[in-house]
Amino acid sequence: DADVTQTPRNRITKTGKRIMLECSQTKGHDRMYWYRQDPGLGLQLIYYSFDVKDINKGEISDGYSVSRQAQAKFSLSLESAIPNQTALYFCATSDPRASGGNYEQFFGPGTRLTVL
Amino acid sequence: QKEVEQNSGPLSVPEGAIASLNCTYSDRGSQSFFWYRQYSGKSPELIMFIYSNGDKEDGRFTAQLNKASQYVSLLIRDSQPSDSATYLCAANSGGSNYKLTFGKGTLLTVNP
Repeated sequence: DADVTQTPRNRITKTGKRIMLECSQTKGHDRMYWYRQDPGLGLQLIYYSFDVKDINKGEISDGYSVSRQAQAKFSLSLESAIPNQTALYFCATSDPRASGGNYEQFFGPGTRLTVL
Repeated sequence: QKEVEQNSGPLSVPEGAIASLNCTYSDRGSQSFFWYRQYSGKSPELIMFIYSNGDKEDGRFTAQLNKASQYVSLLIRDSQPSDSATYLCAANSGGSNYKLTFGKGTLLTVNP
């Protein structure tokens, strides 16, 4: 089945470390997103990308950077992790051409990141 | 700031009852609305989307949209314990279809 995968699934790191979270998809979708989810705060958009050359900041991009290495790969980096970046991180994809004109987003399984 | 508001719950219903989940949105330019279900520790999965005023039914689920009142709801008929989850409402934001603003979710518990 076409899918969205994320690695690692769990990560514990220390303050100040550089961390990369990776997302890959076999859906063939052109749009990819990174969200973080904190308990009681819903999903917050960090970055999104429409293709390899198109990267856009979301609501909470400070402290994060991204790279779209290929249509199927979108990585999120924390250059110097801090404890308040402890959260559940989701990658998502969408493509209205593949969804009959709909704009729903399909989510990966998530990465649980803990920064000590 | 475009917002999507939901009651956080928890909403508790007995098995077999109708669960009613509500959502309001602030951006009058929003055209597309989505309901996602999220089990604890898992990723959100799409249940339904709705674009037009009125009702849309899919199995035990009915989504309702009232653009004049900026109100979206999800009804779950014959609720089952397996429906116990957090339900996220989302709306396209800023006039763009490719960005979604999510509510904080409503926790639903269906009691056997």
